[in-house]
Amino acid sequence: EDQVTQSPEALRLQEGESSSLNCSYTVSGLRGLFWYRQDPGKGPEFLFTLYSAGEEKEKERLKATLTKKESFLHITAPKPEDSATYLCAVQARGGATNKLIFGTGTLLAVQP
Amino acid sequence: DTAVSQTPKYLVTQMGNDKSIKCEQNLGHDTMYWYKQDSKKFLKIMFSYNNKELIINETVPNRFSPKSPDKAHLNLHINSLELGDSAVYFCASSLGLTTYEQYFGPGTRLTVT
Repeated sequence: EDQVTQSPEALRLQEGESSSLNCSYTVSGLRGLFWYRQDPGKGPEFLFTLYSAGEEKEKERLKATLTKKESFLHITAPKPEDSATYLCAVQARGGATNKLIFGTGTLLAVQP
Repeated sequence: DTAVSQTPKYLVTQMGNDKSIKCEQNLGHDTMYWYKQDSKKFLKIMFSYNNKELIINETVPNRFSPKSPDKAHLNLHINSLELGDSAVYFCASSLGLTTYEQYFGPGTRLTVT
C-alpha cells in the first residue's frame, strides 16, 4: 500500500536555526513528490514538485531534495513567517494519474 | 482574483440534515478535486473530476455526491449528515490529469452537532 510518513510531527526552532523536515514514502512507482505549506485556517499552498532521485529545488529559505525513499525540506535561517504546517504528498504510477497521497505534516514553529 | 474559491467558509448543522458546499476556480483548469482534512490534519482525496467526468471516487459513502456543472465548478452535496462528517473540506484544481500540481481553495469547516 502506498504510504507517506513525515517526521517530526512538530518542530520548534529559534529564528536563524536551520533544520530539515523528513518525508519517507513507499509507493509502487513514484510519479512525483510534492511539498505544500499550510497556514492555520487556510488551504495548502503549493511549494515544490520533485520527480526523480537526486533532484533539488529551492525557493527563498526552502530547499527540497529527493532520494529513492525519502525527501527532505531544508529550511535555512528560518524566520517567524516560515511557521506553518508542511505537508508532503506523493503521486504513484498506475491507477488514477492525479491522486495525491498526503502525509500528516510537520508543524513548524519559528520563534523570534 | 481568487484562484480557487469555496462557499461557505463555515457550516454548522445538525445530524440528519443535507448540505452543499460550492467550489469555483478561475484558473482555466480542467481537473478539480474534493479533499477531506480530519482533526489530525490528515488530508485525503474524496473525488476528482476532469472536464466534468468523474475520475476518482475514493470509497466515499454514497451520502456524498459531487456534481460538476462545468469544468470551472465542482460542488459537493452531503445527505443525512453524521457526526463523523465534521472536518474541513478542501476543493482543489490542476491544469489537467497529466499536470500534477494541485491548487487548493481556503476550505470549508463543517461541524455536525
